[in-house]
Amino acid sequence: DAMVIQNPRYQVTQFGKPVTLSCSQTLNHNVMYWYQQKSSQAPKLLFHYYDKDFNNEADTPDNFQSRRPNTSFCFLDIRSPGLGDAAMYLCATSRDGREEQFFGPGTRLTVL
Amino acid sequence: GEDVEQSLFLSVREGDSSVINCTYTDSSSTYLYWYKQEPGAGLQLLTYIFSNMDMKQDQRLTVLLNKKDKHLSLRIADTQTGDSAIYFCAETETGGFKTIFGAGTRLFVKA
Repeated sequence: DAMVIQNPRYQVTQFGKPVTLSCSQTLNHNVMYWYQQKSSQAPKLLFHYYDKDFNNEADTPDNFQSRRPNTSFCFLDIRSPGLGDAAMYLCATSRDGREEQFFGPGTRLTVL
Repeated sequence: GEDVEQSLFLSVREGDSSVINCTYTDSSSTYLYWYKQEPGAGLQLLTYIFSNMDMKQDQRLTVLLNKKDKHLSLRIADTQTGDSAIYFCAETETGGFKTIFGAGTRLFVKA
């Protein structure tokens, strides 16, 4: 029954070692989002895809990239993780971007 | 730019009502939402209200919208210990795909 799935739930990486986080959805939604959430803060939108169209937020560092090979999957690539990138990463989907978002359980990233 | 503000903490006794408040800045927002986040989990939509509505009730939840003051509130009746979580207010910018979240209100329910 899971609708938005994120893998892994916990990821540990070393400073500077590339890491990829995965999100998949069974809702067939057009829009997929990646958020970064640090402790006691609001989720911060990094970027979103509307279908294959990629939309980057102006303040998202170049260190963060994303891929959406098909409707169901979306990946977050962090090319050279720094200590400040340790956070919860949330994936969400929306049917058309104007309605509610469905969130996955998140991946907690630790950078050593 | 758009901004959503909430108080950070609220503590209530089990069985009392909880009221969580939020102010927003985008007067043209179409949708306003309340999400709930439990520890270690993603956000779960609790309820939402269209900007042309003043109130929406859904079981124990009542949402009030004051467009003039750009104020949104969530009332939880008969608050239970299972309601302890972080509650996020959010607005979707008109015509766009971006949802702006507040910093969240952490609700503590004392037994």
